[in-house]
Amino acid sequence: NAGVTQTPKFQVLKTGQSMTLQCAQDMNHNSMYWYRQDPGMGLRLIYYSASEGTTDKGEVPNGYNVSRLNKREFSLRLESAAPSQTSVYFCASRDQGKGYEQYFGPGTRLTVT
Amino acid sequence: GNSVTQMEGPVTLSEEAFLTINCTYTATGYPSLFWYVQYPGEGLQLLLKATKADDKGSNKGFEATYRKETTSFHLEKGSVQVSDSAVYFCALGNAGGTSYGKLTFGQGTILTVHP
Repeated sequence: NAGVTQTPKFQVLKTGQSMTLQCAQDMNHNSMYWYRQDPGMGLRLIYYSASEGTTDKGEVPNGYNVSRLNKREFSLRLESAAPSQTSVYFCASRDQGKGYEQYFGPGTRLTVT
Repeated sequence: GNSVTQMEGPVTLSEEAFLTINCTYTATGYPSLFWYVQYPGEGLQLLLKATKADDKGSNKGFEATYRKETTSFHLEKGSVQVSDSAVYFCALGNAGGTSYGKLTFGQGTILTVHP
């Protein structure tokens, strides 16, 4: 099992450009999450999908959109990137029937200039 | 709402020293508690967990006990190694209301262990 995979690993964007971060999991988990990690602030939840076909906002959703494409895949889109979105982005998944632990991907390091 | 507070870092220790990283929380209901570890350039890995009061989670020589009376989940290791150098995150998960299994994280504590 690959677990949770994310692409790309690194990306540099100019202000105003758009891009989509991809996430996939092969653990048959119901729930998926997108976080951003900034120095001194831990991880903050951007959006989540409790199950296939549903998505909801987390703590910091402004400037982002998501799509739960199927049970395996959950993408995060930046429509018009801003320097404030420079961060490391992590995708995670969880099996609703087995507690609250989440399994994380390796992350995408995004720089917006 | 839920919150997690970790001791300020960074923490620098010599190999074989004793480690404590403090974590306290505020939550409604009965949360599950976690410690995650992030090695340089990698994602977060679950280190240990506890799901109810007085549970002790343990893994790789690390331990933490769920103390409901003090709302704490401090991480300890008796003898750290250079390979333990990483960022450690305390987190809580709570099913209350419509949280849908979201985790609330502390700000992270950077640990550096010198030979």
